[in-house]
Amino acid sequence: EAGVAQSPRYKIIEKRQSVAFWCNPISGHATLYWYQQILGQGPKLLIQFQNNGVVDDSQLPKDRFSAERLKGVDSTLKIQPAKLEDSAVYLCASSLNMGATPSYEQYFGPGTRLTVT
Amino acid sequence: AQTVTQSQPEMSVQEAETVTLSCTYDTSESDYYLFWYKQPPSRQMILVIRQEAYKQQNATENRFSVNFQKAAKSFSLKISDSQLGDAAMYFCAYRTHNQGGKLIFGQGTELSVKP
Repeated sequence: EAGVAQSPRYKIIEKRQSVAFWCNPISGHATLYWYQQILGQGPKLLIQFQNNGVVDDSQLPKDRFSAERLKGVDSTLKIQPAKLEDSAVYLCASSLNMGATPSYEQYFGPGTRLTVT
Repeated sequence: AQTVTQSQPEMSVQEAETVTLSCTYDTSESDYYLFWYKQPPSRQMILVIRQEAYKQQNATENRFSVNFQKAAKSFSLKISDSQLGDAAMYFCAYRTHNQGGKLIFGQGTELSVKP
Protein backbone atom coordinates (compact mmCIF):
# COMPACT_ATOMS: atom_id res chain seq x y z
CA GLU A 1 0.00 0.00 0.00
CA ALA A 2 1.44 3.36 -1.02
CA GLY A 3 1.90 5.90 1.74
CA VAL A 4 1.06 9.59 1.88
CA ALA A 5 2.90 11.46 -0.85
CA GLN A 6 3.99 15.07 -0.65
CA SER A 7 5.81 17.39 -3.00
CA PRO A 8 8.06 19.21 -3.18
CA ARG A 9 10.36 17.94 -0.42
CA TYR A 10 12.17 21.25 -0.15
CA LYS A 11 11.33 24.81 -1.17
CA ILE A 12 13.20 28.06 -0.71
CA ILE A 13 11.43 31.33 -1.47
CA GLU A 14 11.79 34.99 -0.65
CA LYS A 15 9.34 36.75 1.64
CA ARG A 16 6.23 38.06 -0.06
CA GLN A 17 6.43 35.32 -2.70
CA SER A 18 3.80 32.62 -3.00
CA VAL A 19 4.23 28.85 -2.67
CA ALA A 20 2.06 25.76 -2.97
CA PHE A 21 2.40 22.29 -1.48
CA TRP A 22 0.73 19.15 -2.73
CA CYS A 23 -0.45 16.08 -0.83
CA ASN A 24 -1.81 12.78 -2.10
CA PRO A 25 -3.30 10.74 0.76
CA ILE A 26 -3.54 6.97 1.06
CA SER A 27 -6.19 5.64 -1.29
CA GLY A 28 -9.60 5.47 0.35
CA HIS A 29 -8.75 7.77 3.23
CA ALA A 30 -11.56 10.25 3.81
CA THR A 31 -9.78 12.50 6.29
CA LEU A 32 -6.78 14.67 5.44
CA TYR A 33 -4.76 16.85 7.80
CA TRP A 34 -2.18 19.59 7.21
CA TYR A 35 0.18 20.26 10.12
CA GLN A 36 2.81 22.99 10.46
CA GLN A 37 5.99 22.07 12.36
CA ILE A 38 8.24 24.98 13.24
CA LEU A 39 11.83 24.05 14.08
CA GLY A 40 12.10 22.86 17.67
CA GLN A 41 8.34 22.47 18.14
CA GLY A 42 5.76 19.78 17.71
CA PRO A 43 3.40 19.79 14.74
CA LYS A 44 0.33 22.01 14.94
CA LEU A 45 -2.85 21.37 12.96
CA LEU A 46 -3.55 23.98 10.29
CA ILE A 47 -6.57 22.46 8.57
CA GLN A 48 -8.52 19.21 8.47
CA PHE A 49 -10.69 17.94 5.62
CA GLN A 50 -13.36 15.26 5.65
CA ASN A 51 -13.71 14.28 2.00
CA ASN A 52 -13.81 17.71 0.32
CA GLY A 53 -15.29 19.62 3.25
CA VAL A 54 -13.38 21.55 5.94
CA VAL A 55 -13.78 20.18 9.48
CA ASP A 56 -11.35 22.43 11.35
CA ASP A 57 -9.39 25.44 10.11
CA SER A 58 -9.34 27.37 13.37
CA GLN A 59 -5.54 27.70 13.39
CA LEU A 60 -5.11 28.50 9.71
CA PRO A 61 -3.91 32.11 9.10
CA LYS A 62 -6.61 32.77 6.56
CA ASP A 63 -5.21 36.11 5.47
CA ARG A 64 -2.30 34.31 3.78
CA PHE A 65 -2.93 30.57 3.87
CA SER A 66 -5.50 28.69 1.82
CA ALA A 67 -6.14 25.02 1.21
CA GLU A 68 -8.42 22.95 -0.91
CA ARG A 69 -9.21 19.31 -1.47
CA LEU A 70 -11.02 19.09 -4.74
CA LYS A 71 -12.83 15.80 -5.41
CA GLY A 72 -11.97 14.67 -1.89
CA VAL A 73 -8.61 13.17 -2.82
CA ASP A 74 -5.48 15.31 -3.39
CA SER A 75 -5.00 18.51 -1.46
CA THR A 76 -3.07 21.72 -2.02
CA LEU A 77 -1.90 24.15 0.65
CA LYS A 78 -0.95 27.64 -0.51
CA ILE A 79 0.81 30.54 1.18
CA GLN A 80 0.51 33.99 -0.36
CA PRO A 81 2.39 36.15 0.52
CA ALA A 82 4.93 34.24 2.61
CA LYS A 83 6.50 35.67 5.74
CA LEU A 84 9.76 34.75 7.44
CA GLU A 85 7.84 33.06 10.27
CA ASP A 86 6.28 30.63 7.78
CA SER A 87 9.59 28.77 7.59
CA ALA A 88 8.69 25.30 8.80
CA VAL A 89 8.04 21.72 7.78
CA TYR A 90 4.53 21.17 6.43
CA LEU A 91 3.26 17.68 7.14
CA CYS A 92 0.30 16.06 5.50
CA ALA A 93 -1.47 13.13 7.15
CA SER A 94 -4.48 11.02 6.27
CA SER A 95 -6.75 8.59 8.04
CA LEU A 96 -9.54 6.27 7.02
CA ASN A 97 -12.05 8.47 8.80
CA MET A 98 -12.44 10.99 11.61
CA GLY A 99 -12.36 10.03 15.25
CA ALA A 100 -9.69 8.57 17.44
CA THR A 101 -10.30 4.84 17.25
CA PRO A 102 -7.24 2.73 16.40
CA SER A 103 -8.64 1.84 12.99
CA TYR A 104 -8.53 5.54 12.14
CA GLU A 105 -4.83 5.94 12.75
CA GLN A 106 -3.17 8.92 11.07
CA TYR A 107 -0.44 8.19 8.54
CA PHE A 108 2.06 10.94 7.80
CA GLY A 109 3.83 11.95 4.64
CA PRO A 110 7.54 12.88 4.52
CA GLY A 111 6.80 16.61 4.77
CA THR A 112 7.88 19.68 2.82
CA ARG A 113 10.59 21.86 4.33
CA LEU A 114 9.93 25.52 3.51
CA THR A 115 12.57 28.19 3.99
CA VAL A 116 11.53 31.82 3.60
CA THR A 117 14.43 34.26 3.20
CA ALA B 1 -8.29 23.07 25.48
CA GLN B 2 -5.97 20.13 25.74
CA THR B 3 -2.23 20.64 26.17
CA VAL B 4 0.75 18.29 26.04
CA THR B 5 4.06 19.07 27.75
CA GLN B 6 7.43 17.39 27.32
CA SER B 7 9.88 18.88 29.81
CA GLN B 8 13.03 17.19 28.48
CA PRO B 9 14.28 18.91 25.29
CA GLU B 10 17.19 16.44 25.03
CA MET B 11 18.03 13.04 26.44
CA SER B 12 20.99 10.76 25.97
CA VAL B 13 21.37 7.02 26.52
CA GLN B 14 24.13 4.49 26.14
CA GLU B 15 23.52 1.74 23.61
CA ALA B 16 21.82 -1.29 25.23
CA GLU B 17 20.73 0.77 28.24
CA THR B 18 17.22 1.91 29.20
CA VAL B 19 15.87 5.44 28.94
CA THR B 20 12.57 7.03 29.96
CA LEU B 21 11.02 10.03 28.23
CA SER B 22 8.46 12.08 30.16
CA CYS B 23 5.16 13.57 29.07
CA THR B 24 2.32 15.25 30.91
CA TYR B 25 -0.98 16.42 29.52
CA ASP B 26 -4.01 18.38 30.55
CA THR B 27 -7.58 17.58 29.62
CA SER B 28 -11.07 17.56 31.08
CA GLU B 29 -12.13 14.62 28.95
CA SER B 30 -12.32 11.04 30.17
CA ASP B 31 -12.07 9.24 26.83
CA TYR B 32 -9.01 9.86 24.69
CA TYR B 33 -5.87 8.30 23.24
CA LEU B 34 -2.21 9.00 23.85
CA PHE B 35 0.62 8.32 21.45
CA TRP B 36 4.36 8.39 21.15
CA TYR B 37 5.70 9.23 17.69
CA LYS B 38 9.27 8.99 16.47
CA GLN B 39 10.60 11.48 13.93
CA PRO B 40 14.04 10.68 12.49
CA PRO B 41 16.00 13.24 10.41
CA SER B 42 14.04 12.09 7.36
CA ARG B 43 11.05 13.86 9.02
CA GLN B 44 8.75 10.86 8.55
CA MET B 45 6.51 10.67 11.61
CA ILE B 46 6.35 7.06 12.79
CA LEU B 47 3.91 5.74 15.37
CA VAL B 48 5.76 4.02 18.21
CA ILE B 49 3.02 3.12 20.66
CA ARG B 50 -0.61 3.89 21.48
CA GLN B 51 -2.51 3.92 24.80
CA GLU B 52 -6.27 4.05 25.19
CA ALA B 53 -7.27 6.07 28.25
CA TYR B 54 -9.95 3.58 29.31
CA LYS B 55 -7.40 0.77 29.55
CA GLN B 56 -5.60 0.43 32.85
CA GLN B 57 -2.97 -1.89 31.44
CA ASN B 58 0.11 -0.13 30.10
CA ALA B 59 0.79 -0.63 26.40
CA THR B 60 3.89 -2.50 25.25
CA GLU B 61 5.44 -2.87 21.80
CA ASN B 62 8.62 -4.96 21.84
CA ARG B 63 11.32 -2.76 23.46
CA PHE B 64 8.92 0.14 23.97
CA SER B 65 6.53 0.44 26.89
CA VAL B 66 4.60 3.21 28.57
CA ASN B 67 3.78 4.15 32.14
CA PHE B 68 0.29 5.64 31.97
CA GLN B 69 -0.89 7.39 35.13
CA LYS B 70 -4.35 8.72 34.31
CA ALA B 71 -4.99 10.52 37.59
CA ALA B 72 -1.63 12.26 37.39
CA LYS B 73 -2.08 12.88 33.63
CA SER B 74 1.33 11.44 33.00
CA PHE B 75 2.42 9.29 30.05
CA SER B 76 6.09 8.30 29.92
CA LEU B 77 7.86 6.16 27.33
CA LYS B 78 10.47 3.59 28.31
CA ILE B 79 12.90 2.32 25.69
CA SER B 80 14.76 -0.81 26.74
CA ASP B 81 17.95 -2.15 25.16
CA SER B 82 18.44 1.12 23.26
CA GLN B 83 19.76 0.84 19.73
CA LEU B 84 21.54 3.35 17.52
CA GLY B 85 18.47 3.42 15.30
CA ASP B 86 16.38 4.75 18.18
CA ALA B 87 18.08 8.14 17.89
CA ALA B 88 15.41 10.62 16.81
CA MET B 89 12.95 13.24 18.00
CA TYR B 90 10.16 11.74 20.06
CA PHE B 91 6.79 13.42 20.33
CA CYS B 92 4.05 12.73 22.80
CA ALA B 93 0.59 13.35 21.35
CA TYR B 94 -3.02 13.45 22.52
CA ARG B 95 -6.04 12.57 20.44
CA THR B 96 -9.71 12.90 21.30
CA HIS B 97 -12.81 11.51 19.68
CA ASN B 98 -14.03 15.08 19.52
CA GLN B 99 -12.54 17.85 17.37
CA GLY B 100 -12.32 15.54 14.37
CA GLY B 101 -9.66 13.36 15.90
CA LYS B 102 -6.80 15.82 15.44
CA LEU B 103 -3.52 15.20 17.20
CA ILE B 104 -2.14 17.64 19.76
CA PHE B 105 1.63 17.31 20.09
CA GLY B 106 4.16 18.14 22.76
CA GLN B 107 7.35 20.03 22.01
CA GLY B 108 9.43 16.93 21.52
CA THR B 109 12.46 15.28 23.11
CA GLU B 110 15.60 14.71 21.08
CA LEU B 111 17.10 11.34 21.96
CA SER B 112 20.71 10.55 21.18
CA VAL B 113 22.17 7.05 21.55
CA LYS B 114 25.86 6.68 22.32
CA PRO B 115 27.70 3.60 21.01
